[in-house]
Amino acid sequence: DVKVTQSSRYLVKRTGEKVFLECVQDMDHENMFWYRQDPGLGLRLIYFSYDVKMKEKGDIPEGYSVSREKKERFSLILESASTNQTSMYLCASSPETSGYFNEQFFGPGTRLTVL
Amino acid sequence: AQSVTQPDIHITVSEGASLELRCNYSYGATPYLFWYVQSPGQGLQLLLKYFSGDTLVQGIKGFEAEFKRSQSSFNLRKPSVHWSDAAEYFCAVGEHTGNQFYFGTGTSLTVIP
Repeated sequence: DVKVTQSSRYLVKRTGEKVFLECVQDMDHENMFWYRQDPGLGLRLIYFSYDVKMKEKGDIPEGYSVSREKKERFSLILESASTNQTSMYLCASSPETSGYFNEQFFGPGTRLTVL
Repeated sequence: AQSVTQPDIHITVSEGASLELRCNYSYGATPYLFWYVQSPGQGLQLLLKYFSGDTLVQGIKGFEAEFKRSQSSFNLRKPSVHWSDAAEYFCAVGEHTGNQFYFGTGTSLTVIP
């Protein structure tokens, strides 16, 4: 069965801390994505990666960075957490099939609170 | 730029009643269209998708959606709603030249007995 896992369901951090959110997929997918979800705003893309060590900025990359050292793992990094980064973070993955657009598979999400 | 509009922020229906959730998109070519559902505290699960062909697509849990090019719409329907359908529903459009999705802001569904 298709599976995307995220390291934490709930996380509480303090302003200024460095925060790591981990995502692992077991489907050998090429593409991985990080979104944040806020009420009334839907899902907004932070970063995505279409290959190991490759990354592309999404719509709201400011204040975030990412790392993809292995195909199955995609990490989201908050270099210095701020209260406006309190949100639900969703990871997703999709296969790369030439000429075909594939659905994304989502993890359960990490609810991050920055105090 | 691509965009997705879900005009209804919140909908309340009675159990057993029919349901229609609206989705409009803005995209130059024929889009790839998706509906996802998010139960409380969970990630998103794909309900159905449209790539080409028959404009009426069937999904899981008894849902269906119809692509209407003339109206730039992809509305989600269910003939008889169950209490377990209470969730948040997201419409999304995918672009042809990449793998990026654009999501609507979601519609929250409440089901009353």
